[in-house]
Amino acid sequence: DTEVTQTPKHLVMGMTNKKSLKCEQHMGHRAMYWYKQKAKKPPELMFVYSYEKLSINESVPSRFSPECPNSSLLNLHLHALQPEDSALYLCASSQQGNQPQHFGDGTRLSIL
Amino acid sequence: SQQGEEDPQALSIQEGENATMNCSYKTSINNLQWYRQNSGRGLVHLILIRSNEREKHSGRLRVTLDTSKKSSSLLITASRAADTASYFCATVGGETSGSRLTFGEGTQLTVNP
Repeated sequence: DTEVTQTPKHLVMGMTNKKSLKCEQHMGHRAMYWYKQKAKKPPELMFVYSYEKLSINESVPSRFSPECPNSSLLNLHLHALQPEDSALYLCASSQQGNQPQHFGDGTRLSIL
Repeated sequence: SQQGEEDPQALSIQEGENATMNCSYKTSINNLQWYRQNSGRGLVHLILIRSNEREKHSGRLRVTLDTSKKSSSLLITASRAADTASYFCATVGGETSGSRLTFGEGTQLTVNP
């Protein structure tokens, strides 16, 4: 069983919808991450929330917006997505930035 | 952009054989980590080797690091069908990198029973 829980596991949405992906960890980790992974490619970092500070990959479009309600939760809000945004979205956490990351099993997102 | 390159991209072996995967990177690192990803699942951390270490073992896994060549290798001994997965190396850079993981392109390992 994974220690990082992501919901939902699958999501199909239209380009005009607004939805949110949720990620939760109870390991007391101080850093949480969102990654996007396309088929047969490595994960690409989208956002880092570390010690209450958000860092953004500048190539990530504004239709993705992260929210960190507390130290154990990291949400990803989605709005007006494009078909190319279809991918596996992975959440991870770590005690510190240079320590091993614990990954959830991801949300498989399909944009119609 | 991904700074790591892995070879081979795909590797198919028989159960019981050893599997070796290689990773190269371009900038200085704090540490290098290896992860496994089963189909449709998240990544699982396997082993971390620091920049001042040359070799590390964990069960059937052996990792080497050569900072002069900016390369690392992962050896899985006595492979099993359950080892079938994608394997990624990931580097953590120095202080200016923000301690973020930079993943290689990955190696798809298939172990045939």
